[in-house]
Amino acid sequence: AQSVTQPDIHITVSEGASLELRCNYSYGATPYLFWYVQSPGQGLQLLLKYFSGDTLVQGIKGFEAEFKRSQSSFNLRKPSVHWSDAAEYFCAVVGSARQLTFGSGTQLTVLP
Amino acid sequence: EAGVAQSPRYKIIEKRQSVAFWCNPISGHATLYWYQQILGQGPKLLIQFQNNGVVDDSQLPKDRFSAERLKGVDSTLKIQPAKLEDSAVYLCASSSGTRGLKDTQYFGPGTRLTVL
Repeated sequence: AQSVTQPDIHITVSEGASLELRCNYSYGATPYLFWYVQSPGQGLQLLLKYFSGDTLVQGIKGFEAEFKRSQSSFNLRKPSVHWSDAAEYFCAVVGSARQLTFGSGTQLTVLP
Repeated sequence: EAGVAQSPRYKIIEKRQSVAFWCNPISGHATLYWYQQILGQGPKLLIQFQNNGVVDDSQLPKDRFSAERLKGVDSTLKIQPAKLEDSAVYLCASSSGTRGLKDTQYFGPGTRLTVL
């Protein structure tokens, strides 16, 4: 069965610093991978997705993610964090179960 | 383009009462999903509709939860009777239904349910 692990429950960074959120997946074949962001009181918004091809994908709001098959990872990065990036971030996978399976999320706090 | 609409945004009930949530997907989207998001966890799929037919309800607690999408547009999710462990945010999402597993899901703001 497919699964997603986000090892960091909470991350704190200073505004302007770089960010990397970790995501590891478990699935035998190449999965479809997604990153969503959830702000307080808001629904989930898609940041980016990977299906195939170039392993470095660009998303909205200056985010990017890199698919590494050898590490079963799909980490999310941003070179310079803004205070408005404070939110909860979810990695998700579609695999053999043919449904979107989410990780437990990483809460991002941005210090001024 | 209007997004996914959900109501109510908040609901507080006592255990053993019933509750219903409503969702209106993005216009033209054939696929509709209901998720349950318990505090500190990622969303978990409860049920998926394609038009007005059920595609997957394997994780829906059918003894107390029911959902319908009678005309293939809006949908209701009902809980009867509610238990304390049903306290969660209930998210509705929709997708075009034309790209299979590659479909992008668009989420509504959710309904926060508190069961006392």
